[in-house]
Amino acid sequence: EAQVTQNPRYLITVTGKKLTVTCSQNMNHEYMSWYRQDPGLGLRQIYYSMNVEVTDKGDVPEGYKVSRKEKRNFPLILESPSPNQTSLYFCASSLKGIWSGEQFFGPGTRLTVL
Amino acid sequence: ILNVEQSPQSLHVQEGDSTNFTCSFPSSNFYALHWYRWETAKSPEALFVMTLNGDEKKKGRISATLNTKEGYSYLYIKGSQPEDSATYLCAFNDAGNMLTFGGGTRLMVKP
Repeated sequence: EAQVTQNPRYLITVTGKKLTVTCSQNMNHEYMSWYRQDPGLGLRQIYYSMNVEVTDKGDVPEGYKVSRKEKRNFPLILESPSPNQTSLYFCASSLKGIWSGEQFFGPGTRLTVL
Repeated sequence: ILNVEQSPQSLHVQEGDSTNFTCSFPSSNFYALHWYRWETAKSPEALFVMTLNGDEKKKGRISATLNTKEGYSYLYIKGSQPEDSATYLCAFNDAGNMLTFGGGTRLMVKP
């Protein structure tokens, strides 16, 4: 089944403890992206990647890192999480660039930083 | 940060009513306009990706139009059903590869 998977789905952690949220797609998509969703602020783009080893900042990249060593995987890294990073996170992918077609979203990761 | 606005923020309609909502976006550097449907506790699901001025797309009872010169897109739902209840998001893609989302229109269809 064609899909985008994220792990973990839920995570409660403490300030400063490094964490990684994994994202994987099995559709051979070139474009992958991370978003966060906060009440009243809508979906905001954190980072995106056009292809392997090509990543770029979105609207809200501060406090996050990403890597794209393989086409299928695009992990989101929080080196030192803070409470303001408590949010619902979505990974998404599309075949080519974002203008070329629809994005497929993962199921979301709900992160709470205490 | 680009300004993408959706109106209304929320809408209550009766089953069978037809409805429409608006997405406004910058009229310069236009590349694409996306529409997504987002049901509670699920992930956003793509409805349309529109790239040409005057474009009209249709999927079942849902259709969308695009005016890139004046910077707006309309989403129409004909004969709303309770299963259409969701938040409808538009997202604007300019010359880069970023996507800027509007705040969404939350539609509730009463049986």
